[in-house]
Amino acid sequence: GEDVEQSLFLSVREGDSSVINCTYTDSSSTYLYWYKQEPGAGLQLLTYIFSNMDMKQDQRLTVLLNKKDKHLSLRIADTQTGDSAIYFCADLSGNTGKLIFGQGTTLQVKP
Amino acid sequence: KAGVTQTPRYLIKTRGQQVTLSCSPISGHRSVSWYQQTPGQGLQFLFEYFSETQRNKGNFPGRFSGRQFSNSRSEMNVSTLELGDSALYLCASGDGAQSRTDTQYFGPGTRLTVL
Repeated sequence: GEDVEQSLFLSVREGDSSVINCTYTDSSSTYLYWYKQEPGAGLQLLTYIFSNMDMKQDQRLTVLLNKKDKHLSLRIADTQTGDSAIYFCADLSGNTGKLIFGQGTTLQVKP
Repeated sequence: KAGVTQTPRYLIKTRGQQVTLSCSPISGHRSVSWYQQTPGQGLQFLFEYFSETQRNKGNFPGRFSGRQFSNSRSEMNVSTLELGDSALYLCASGDGAQSRTDTQYFGPGTRLTVL
């Protein structure tokens, strides 16, 4: 079945860049998403990329997609303490229309 | 535009009871999806409604049901609650007519605790 995998934890220093990685198995993906979840809150849509694109930039966020390797990454430039949260990668399946989530990567930003 | 709203935000129930959760999508959105989030299983898709019809369903038992009204508001019901139903229930509204290209925007969730 369709699966999405992420590393569970990333720690960076304030001001550094953060790179969160994700792999997926679905060959029918239409869109891939990055969501952010802060403690006690719902999911905030950060950005998304159409499956035929290679890269998308949105202010401090850069999404890279390697469709051949089914690898997605989110780069956060100049990471701030307010970026500390759990980041979820999600695949919108073209076969089922369902959103499949990874386990989430906890980003810790140290001052 | 106002975002997705969910009520109530917190609920405490006991085993065997039933519960109804409510979700109001973003104005103009016609699809509503529900997800369950637990520490052990992560985020799992429950079901999706579009124009009052269930369009998609996840792998949950029949105790979990939902419906959508003509104004696109949706309710989710869980009957005969079990301890394992304790979770954050998230609702998402979609801006497209096709599941396969529908970007979803999430509400704050309802935290359900079953004692």
